[in-house]
Amino acid sequence: QVQLVQSGAEVKKPGASVKVSCKASGYTFTSYGISWVRQAPGQGLEWMGWISAYNGNTTYAQRLQGRVTMTTDTSTSTAYMELRSLRSDDTAVYYCARLLYYYDSSGFYITDFDPWGQGTLVTVSS
Amino acid sequence: NFMLTQPHSVSESPGKTVTISCTRSSGSIASNYVQWYQQRPGSAPTTVIYEDIQRPSGVPNRFSGSIDSSSNSASLTISGLKTEDEADYYCQSYDSSNHVVFGGGTKLTVL
Repeated sequence: QVQLVQSGAEVKKPGASVKVSCKASGYTFTSYGISWVRQAPGQGLEWMGWISAYNGNTTYAQRLQGRVTMTTDTSTSTAYMELRSLRSDDTAVYYCARLLYYYDSSGFYITDFDPWGQGTLVTVSS
Repeated sequence: NFMLTQPHSVSESPGKTVTISCTRSSGSIASNYVQWYQQRPGSAPTTVIYEDIQRPSGVPNRFSGSIDSSSNSASLTISGLKTEDEADYYCQSYDSSNHVVFGGGTKLTVL
């Protein structure tokens, strides 16, 4: 079955970096994108960005531009999200999700995020 | 960029019907697909509606999606409410720069 399995919880100090992995299985990795979404405690979903596993093109949320890098390793069907210069308000559960996108004569389409990984709790505390 | 605005919370009784709205602040709601996700406490979100009105296999037909250009909104309607439907629901769309936008989420209480 299609599955995304994320790396384990992390505790980091302010100013440090964190790199979360997301290993895909059950589908052709390069036929989809991977998006990253985070959720602070008791808050809603915040989109962070996405990467095409086909060509590595990335699109990042403006508020995270310069602090976040998303990459993929097609040899292992694994996506990575690195967030630098961590602050206390980066404390959140970080999710990866498979993203279906496609082009046709009318334009570019992003459809649903499915499935999602189990989430990785990143705690930033001194 | 645009925002998607959802009611903070809605509540309804079992067996009844509830509708959750998702209003786009600028640009046409019909310009880009809208998805809806259900998130139960402690779990990752799952899709209940994609591409405005499509229902994934395994999602009951009690869940339906619609688009209303006059109010520039998308809606998620759940009929025959069950206690298991109690969850947070999020709408999601994207803009012309391929940036994804989530609504703020709606807490559904079935009481």
